[in-house]
This record gives sequence, C-alpha cells and structure tokens, in this order.
Amino acid sequence: QKEVEQDPGPLSVPEGAIVSLNCTYSNSAFQYFMWYRQYSRKGPELLMYTYSSGNKEDGRFTAQVDKSSKYISLFIRDSQPSDSATYLCAMSPSGNTPLVFGKGTRLSVIA
Amino acid sequence: NAGVTQTPKFRILKIGQSMTLQCAQDMNHNYMYWYRQDPGMGLKLIYYSVGAGITDKGEVPNGYNVSRSTTEDFPLRLELAAPSQTSVYFCASSYSRYEQYFGPGTRLTVT
Repeated sequence: QKEVEQDPGPLSVPEGAIVSLNCTYSNSAFQYFMWYRQYSRKGPELLMYTYSSGNKEDGRFTAQVDKSSKYISLFIRDSQPSDSATYLCAMSPSGNTPLVFGKGTRLSVIA
Repeated sequence: NAGVTQTPKFRILKIGQSMTLQCAQDMNHNYMYWYRQDPGMGLKLIYYSVGAGITDKGEVPNGYNVSRSTTEDFPLRLELAAPSQTSVYFCASSYSRYEQYFGPGTRLTVT
C-alpha cells in the first residue's frame, strides 16, 4: 500500500459546482497536511496547510483532516475556470522530515 | 525578488552525456529540494539540503549528485544520462518544511 493515495482523475465539473478532492494515507504519524495547486507547465504552489485534525477555511477553499480515517479533503466552492489545475496533497510526520506527495488530481472547471 | 529560478528551461541530452541543472533562490531559505515529476506520478524527492554544506538523499537519488556550497544555490548533476531520467525537474526552497516555493521547472529529454 502506498503511503499517500490520490485519485488522478481527470475530474471535470461545470462552473459554480462544489468540488471535493481527497487523499488517503497509511502512515498514522503524519501530522502536517498540505494542498498544492499546479497549473499546466508551472511549478506547484502552496494552497492550504493544516496541522493535525480539523478544518481550515480560506475564501472558497476548505481543507479537512480526519486522522481517525486517515483521510484529507479539499473543497472548492463556486468553482471557476481559473481553478482548472492539478491539485497535489502532501503530508509529513514532523517539521524535520520531507513531504510525501500524492500523485495529484487533474481538475477542469468548464464555463 | 525573483524567488526560485531554474536553468535551463528545456534540454535534450544524448544517452551517456552529463549535465548540471542550476537552481538559485533569493529568499535566504535554508531548505532546498530537488524533485522529479513524471506524468501522472506526482513529485518524487531526489535530494534535499537543510543548509549550506549539508545534503541528504531523498526517495530516488540514483544517477544524481548535488552540492550546496552557498545558501542561494543548489545545483543537480546528472552523470551518464539514461532515458529513465527523462522527466520534469523542479527545484524548491523553504523557510519551514511546509511552504515550499517551487521554480518553473526544467524539462529534460534523454534520447
């Protein structure tokens, strides 16, 4: 079983839809959880960062962590064509160990 | 403030040739990383550095070498290029482990 599993998609939704992106993981030591967004032919950029369990909201984006289920989610409300990108989850057990990335989910928001 | 810069943007190598991918950052970050990204495979860590003079192997270090003589620069050396090293290479830097700033990438083809 891979440490971090992420459905690669592609996921195609109409503009204005609510999008749910998910990752599961096997290492119960993971405590730091991140979502990166990567536009085509660009480097990834940090979108959201969460420590341990709970929710975090930033504008149209909400990150959720359920450590009991080893499951993290990113919700995008009122999705826009500009949200079309690949979304990568990443996680780490502590501040001193490298991040482990998921494979990324490719999202297309259709106008 | 240029952030993370990478050169070259594109390169075609013949099997057995060598080359150095350059990476520089102007944010005074201690942490620097090299990743490769193959289609649908997410980001794989090649090498990382926690400061000048200190480097460590990541998940896929074979066929690569790094050095870190200054805070700003973190070059990646490919010796005896092989077709399996065809990939997009990203350099990143960070103040903490979580918010990594990525460069624009180098697309390398080995034929």
